[in-house]
Amino acid sequence: QQQVKQSPQSLIVQKGGISIINCAYENTAFDYFPWYQQFPGKGPALLIAIRPDVSEKKEGRFTISFNKSAKQFSLHIMDSQPGDSATYFCAASIGFRTGNEKLTFGTGTRLTIIP
Amino acid sequence: GAVVSQHPSWVICKSGTSVKIECRSLDFQATTMFWYRQFPKQSLMLMATSNEGSKATYEQGVEKDKFLINHASLTLSTLTVTSAHPEDSSFYICSARDYSGRGTGELFFGEGSRLTVL
Repeated sequence: QQQVKQSPQSLIVQKGGISIINCAYENTAFDYFPWYQQFPGKGPALLIAIRPDVSEKKEGRFTISFNKSAKQFSLHIMDSQPGDSATYFCAASIGFRTGNEKLTFGTGTRLTIIP
Repeated sequence: GAVVSQHPSWVICKSGTSVKIECRSLDFQATTMFWYRQFPKQSLMLMATSNEGSKATYEQGVEKDKFLINHASLTLSTLTVTSAHPEDSSFYICSARDYSGRGTGELFFGEGSRLTVL
C-alpha cells in the first residue's frame, strides 16, 4: 500500500529531447508528490513537487503531470541537457506540513543525456 | 536556502567498531530529522525519524540498538552505528524540514555519509 512504483529503471535521451519518467501509487491518502534529483555520491535535491489538487506544475524545463484518478504522476524534462544526467526519484507522503510526514521513494531512474 | 550538513562525508572503519555520523541544519531549526540508508544503485530507505528531546521512531526491521539516534538540539541529530559489520556499509543520508516562517516545509537532504566497514 505504501509502495511507489517508478519506471523506467534507466533512460537514455538525446540532447534536446524530452525525458519522461513515470510513477504510480496505490495509497490514495498520499497528498504530496515530489521529485528528487541525485548525482553520484550526493544527497537528493528537490526538483519539483505537486499536490493532488492540481493536474500539472511547471518550473522551467521541468513539468509534473498528475493523474489522480489513475494514481499516476510523471516528470517531463524538456530540452534535456547533459547536465541533467542523474538519478531521479519520485516520492510520496501523507500529511503535508504536519511535521511528521514520511517520504516513500520510488526505485529511481538513471537518466543519461547523450550529445 | 536552507542547508543540511552531514559529517563525515565518508568513513572507513574496522568491523566491530562504532561510527558516529552528525547531521546539522545550518540555518533553521528542525524538531524532526529523518535518517535514510541507500545501497548502491538502490532507492532511499527510511531508517528512523529523529525527534528533538524524545526517542527516535524506527521503521520496521531497523535495529534500534544497532543504529542509535540522538537528537539533542534543534539543529543536530546523530546516528551511531554500533559494532559495525561489513553489511552495514552503505550511504547514510539525513534530512530535515524547514517549518520556520520563511520555510516552505521542503525536505532538505544532507550530502550523505558513505560508511565502509572492513
